[in-house]
Amino acid sequence: DGGITQSPKYLFRKEGQNVTLSCEQNLNHDAMYWYRQDPGQGLRLIYYSQIVNDFQKGDIAEGYSVSREKKESFPLTVTSAQKNPTAFYLCASGTSGTQYFGPGTRLLVL
Amino acid sequence: AQKITQTQPGMFVQEKEAVTLDCTYDTSDQSYGLFWYKQPSSGEMIFLIYQGSYDEQNATEGRYSLNFQKARKSANLVISASQLGDSAMYFCAMREGHVQGAQKLVFGQGTRLTINP
Repeated sequence: DGGITQSPKYLFRKEGQNVTLSCEQNLNHDAMYWYRQDPGQGLRLIYYSQIVNDFQKGDIAEGYSVSREKKESFPLTVTSAQKNPTAFYLCASGTSGTQYFGPGTRLLVL
Repeated sequence: AQKITQTQPGMFVQEKEAVTLDCTYDTSDQSYGLFWYKQPSSGEMIFLIYQGSYDEQNATEGRYSLNFQKARKSANLVISASQLGDSAMYFCAMREGHVQGAQKLVFGQGTRLTINP
């Protein structure tokens, strides 16, 4: 089945630790996106990528990094510089403007 | 400045009634797109409906329709014959500019819809 997968579903981070969230799509979409959602809030854009080996910062990129080595994959690393990482992270991919979302990863700090 | 405003934090509706979720937007672009997404308690964002700024007719997708009033900058979602499974958070979002390359979406704060039996 075509779709977007994110793993893990839940992720726990210790202080000072970097963690990486996985996002894979088999929809042959060029564009991919990472959003953060805090409780009771809308989504905010972290990073986005139009093509392989190219990506741009969104509105809240500080403390995060990404890579786009393959068209299908757009992993997000939450670095130790991100002081308030607890949130729900959603990956999306799209073409012609509409974005389709994965099931999300919930990141919690121990 | 808030680009997308959803003024209803929560709405309660009886099953089988129609419901309108409000969305107003702010942009100076002539070309833009408006989206509605549904987020059930599982967390996944489900695309419902899209309206382009140059579309002359209101978009419809099954029980969903978008009441697009360009002069008033509003893009309200109408759900006809509501069902218990419609209970979820609903987000309005906007894309500014022409469709090319990666598209940045700006989201509203959402409206929590509860359908009562």
